[in-house]
Amino acid sequence: GNSVTQMEGPVTLSEEAFLTINCTYTATGYPSLFWYVQYPGEGLQLLLKATKADDKGSNKGFEATYRKETTSFHLEKGSVQVSDSAVYFCALVTGNQFYFGTGTSLTVIP
Amino acid sequence: AAGVIQSPRHLIKEKRETATLKCYPIPRHDTVYWYQQGPGQDPQFLISFYEKMQSDKGSIPDRFSAQQFSDYHSELNMSSLELGDSALYFCASSSRGTSRGTQYFGPGTRLLVL
Repeated sequence: GNSVTQMEGPVTLSEEAFLTINCTYTATGYPSLFWYVQYPGEGLQLLLKATKADDKGSNKGFEATYRKETTSFHLEKGSVQVSDSAVYFCALVTGNQFYFGTGTSLTVIP
Repeated sequence: AAGVIQSPRHLIKEKRETATLKCYPIPRHDTVYWYQQGPGQDPQFLISFYEKMQSDKGSIPDRFSAQQFSDYHSELNMSSLELGDSALYFCASSSRGTSRGTQYFGPGTRLLVL
């Protein structure tokens, strides 16, 4: 079946620290992979995506590389800011169905 | 750029009442999805529509129904509301013509059942 496994949170980092949120997936076929971010009280916003193996998605300093050999799509940012505090969801789509991870809550402290 | 619009943003109902949530997709998007997100949980897929026809069905209770209209907006109808229906309901839209199924989410409707 299709599923996404995400690093459990919560994660607390100091400002300017390096961030990694692990995401691995199981899928039939060739899924597209996504990271969504949800700020408190708001909806899901697309952060970045990758549609095929070895693609790198990037946005706002965040990056993730589609690794087919390790079935992973880890999210990274070199220097986090307080404004990055949010819940991050890894997701895959195959066919027209989305599969979300359970979300990782990130808190960045000054 | 235009985004997905949902209304109302907040809704308070009592048990056994009915509720209707509305979703207006991004212009020219042909597919609409509904999700339910409980507190601290990931979004759970309920149902989707493509070109006004139901395309996929997830964990939507029998008390709920949905449809997509000729202008592509969608409505989620919820009857006999229960306390456990309190959640954030997201609508998302996509276009099958664009890259590999990216869904764009609305801001959500927060439903509270008392």
